[in-house]
Amino acid sequence: RKEVEQDPGPFNVPEGATVAFNCTYSNSASQSFFWYRQDCRKEPKLLMSVYSSGNEDGRFTAQLNRASQYISLLIRDSKLSDSATYLCVVNPTDSWGKLQFGAGTQVVVTP
Amino acid sequence: GAGVSQSPSNKVTEKGKDVELRCDPISGHTALYWYRQRLGQGLEFLIYFQGNSAPDKSGLPSDRFSAERTGESVSTLTIQRTQQEDSAVYLCASSLDPGVAGLAGGVETQYFGPGTRLLVL
Repeated sequence: RKEVEQDPGPFNVPEGATVAFNCTYSNSASQSFFWYRQDCRKEPKLLMSVYSSGNEDGRFTAQLNRASQYISLLIRDSKLSDSATYLCVVNPTDSWGKLQFGAGTQVVVTP
Repeated sequence: GAGVSQSPSNKVTEKGKDVELRCDPISGHTALYWYRQRLGQGLEFLIYFQGNSAPDKSGLPSDRFSAERTGESVSTLTIQRTQQEDSAVYLCASSLDPGVAGLAGGVETQYFGPGTRLLVL
């Protein structure tokens, strides 16, 4: 079983619609969680960190469910520029420097 | 300010040759990380430096892979006797001291360089 699992997609989303997807993690002791965004042939960039019960940043909302060991990302009012691969990232407490990356969920926003 | 830089941006080599990849972290970032990303796949952790020491080398795929860091700055990843399966994008990231970030209540954020695309023929 992979340490961080994501639905690879693609999620095809009409512009202006809402899309949400999850990520599950295996290490129950994990404390830090992130969503990174990666554009095609580009490096990953931090989208947002996920704290305690979740947080919101503009059109993006991240939720953490520790009991079920998953985090989610919701994008409201999707823009064409939101098209990217979204990487779920977990920092297990027993290895501070070693982030665990999911393989990513591809989102394609269509006009 | 300047971000993480990596060189070369692209490298084509023949099977069996050695290659050296370079990473210049963000100034002041004491932590440095190397990852590998194969086509269509997620990031694979290779090694992590705290200062000049590497507390976690668990991700290095084989003894053909080595990395070093000097002056708490530049790092080089060396792949000896390259194989075709080594073809991938090698990404470097840097961050503030994870321990300091934790104590401050902040969260360690890794900033990535543009990567080196390695193709082994």
